Amino acid sequence: EAGVAQSPRYKIIEKRQSVAFWCNPISGHATLYWYQQILGQGPKLLIQFQNNGVVDDSQLPKDRFSAERLKGVDSTLKIQPAKLEDSAVYLCASSLIAGGTDTQYFGPGTRLTVL
Amino acid sequence: GDSVTQMEGPVTLSEEAFLTINCTYTATGYPSLFWYVQYPGEGLQLLLKATKADDKGSNKGFEATYRKETTSFHLEKGSVQVSDSAVYFCALSKQQAAGNKLTFGGGTRVLVKP
Repeated sequence: EAGVAQSPRYKIIEKRQSVAFWCNPISGHATLYWYQQILGQGPKLLIQFQNNGVVDDSQLPKDRFSAERLKGVDSTLKIQPAKLEDSAVYLCASSLIAGGTDTQYFGPGTRLTVL
Repeated sequence: GDSVTQMEGPVTLSEEAFLTINCTYTATGYPSLFWYVQYPGEGLQLLLKATKADDKGSNKGFEATYRKETTSFHLEKGSVQVSDSAVYFCALSKQQAAGNKLTFGGGTRVLVKP
């Protein structure tokens, strides 16, 4: 079974530029999550989708971050414009449903460096 | 809000030593508890989980017991190998209307020397 796919794996941009990350979850997984992991810290949820609807985006900086999952499968996370403090690893995860006991499966992440 | 606290690293051990990583949590309701591991250059992988009080999760020689009375979920392994060198994250999740996000601790880096 294929795991969660993410691209690109690495991205370096200048501040104020825009960037987009792509995620393809495990086939059949209805729930998709984007987490931000700053160096030396645990991941923090940015947004959760259930199919193509948003369940939780309370921690998403909406003035610069946006995400979509139009057909309920793959998803794109965008930052525009980027700031220095956005340097982090962006992790995508998926789970079969959205229960509290469900295992979330993580992709390899995209490491973003903002100069 | 909910939170997870785990011991800071790095933890440096010799091969075959006993490993304990402490994890405590603060949460309302009945969270599920998880340990994830991140090997060098790889993504987060589920190591084990427990979904209710007194449950014991186990995998690859690692164990952790969900202790509601002490709000803890300490990770243990009796004899570590060099291949266990990684960063370990304790996390919790709850079933709620606003999603079931994982709340992570800060991670503990473990280095096992031959």
